[in-house]
Amino acid sequence: GDSVTQMEGPVTLSEEAFLTINCTYTATGYPSLFWYVQYPGEGLQLLLKATKADDKGSNKGFEATYRKETTSFHLEKGSVQVSDSAVYFCALLIYNQGGKLIFGQGTELSVKP
Amino acid sequence: GAGVSQSPRYKVAKRGQDVALRCDPISGHVSLFWYQQALGQGPEFLTYFQNEAQLDKSGLPSDRFFAERPEGSVSTLKIQRTQQEDSAVYLCASSDWMDPNTEAFFGQGTRLTVV
Repeated sequence: GDSVTQMEGPVTLSEEAFLTINCTYTATGYPSLFWYVQYPGEGLQLLLKATKADDKGSNKGFEATYRKETTSFHLEKGSVQVSDSAVYFCALLIYNQGGKLIFGQGTELSVKP
Repeated sequence: GAGVSQSPRYKVAKRGQDVALRCDPISGHVSLFWYQQALGQGPEFLTYFQNEAQLDKSGLPSDRFFAERPEGSVSTLKIQRTQQEDSAVYLCASSDWMDPNTEAFFGQGTRLTVV
């Protein structure tokens, strides 16, 4: 079945370090891919998305490129801030399933000053 | 409303008790989803409504779980005879779906603890 696998956390970085959170997926159709973020005490928020192969989603300094050949959608940021501390979820959406999202298990990021 | 609103935010239930969780989606949003998020895990799909029609309930874990959206706006997730394994955060999301790639907006969730 369709699934998403993320690297395990927690990930602890110093401020201004480079961030990569790996995400790979398995899907029988042609999914759209998303990164959602959950800040402490808040609900899930869409961070970025890509709807077809080779698309790059970007927002708030974060980027991810939809790689169909490696079935991956890794999240990157060149210089993290303390305020980026949160849990990050990779997710896929299959068009013909009504917009249902399939999530990875989440990766907790902690950025130290 | 300004966002997806869920109530209550926290619910403690004794094992065997019935509970009802409410979701107020963003006004005018056609699609509404319920997800279950266990501690330390990603959300897992439970059920999906398009207006008042429940189009997919494949994720409901047992027949103790029931969801409705009778007028195509507010939705209620009901869990009968709660068990300890039902303890989780229940998330509601809505989207203005003609294109499923449209962003889904999530509520803050209801944290259910069964004791």
